[in-house]
Amino acid sequence: RKEVEQDPGPFNVPEGATVAFNCTYSNSASQSFFWYRQDCRKEPKLLMSVYSSGNEDGRFTAQLNRASQYISLLIRDSKLSDSATYLCVVNVYGQNFVFGPGTRLSVLP
Amino acid sequence: GAVVSQHPSRVICKSGTSVKIECRSLDFQATTMFWYRQFPKQSLMLMATSNEGSKATYEQGVEKDKFLINHASLTLSTLTVTSAHPEDSSFYICSAKPGGGEKLFFGSGTQLSVL
Repeated sequence: RKEVEQDPGPFNVPEGATVAFNCTYSNSASQSFFWYRQDCRKEPKLLMSVYSSGNEDGRFTAQLNRASQYISLLIRDSKLSDSATYLCVVNVYGQNFVFGPGTRLSVLP
Repeated sequence: GAVVSQHPSRVICKSGTSVKIECRSLDFQATTMFWYRQFPKQSLMLMATSNEGSKATYEQGVEKDKFLINHASLTLSTLTVTSAHPEDSSFYICSAKPGGGEKLFFGSGTQLSVL
């Protein structure tokens, strides 16, 4: 089993749609969780950290369920500019960051 | 957020030559930097962890004699692809984490094309 798994994608959605990404991780000692987005041939950029209480940043909402070792990202009112690959990232303190394979999103006009 | 500068952004070279890629943390000190490789439509693959003042830690399957990493200062790590071959053509990205911080920041990547 891979350390971090994500929806295989791709997701093709119309503008304005709500889209949800799922991620699971296998290491129960994981302590930090993040969502990054990566545009084609560009570096990953931090979208948001994920906290146990859940957190929201504008149209983006992240949730963490430690018991189920599950992380989610919800994008509301999707825009064309949201088209990218979304990476789930997990870190155990003092160890490497582990990246999920990513889920590609295409928002269509 | 913290700034990580990576240079060059694109390299085209002949087979057999060596290519050096630089990764600098501009506004923080990074005792640890990470080097990744990404092939088209594939996920990031960690190649090695670069530790300031000591030897890099390579992931399984990554040849340390081919991918030379030097982390001579707290703000600079370099990756040298020695005797590059066409199969080494890829997108190479570095990242660093400010000391005490939990977030990872990336350089802008280097697209290497070996002819």
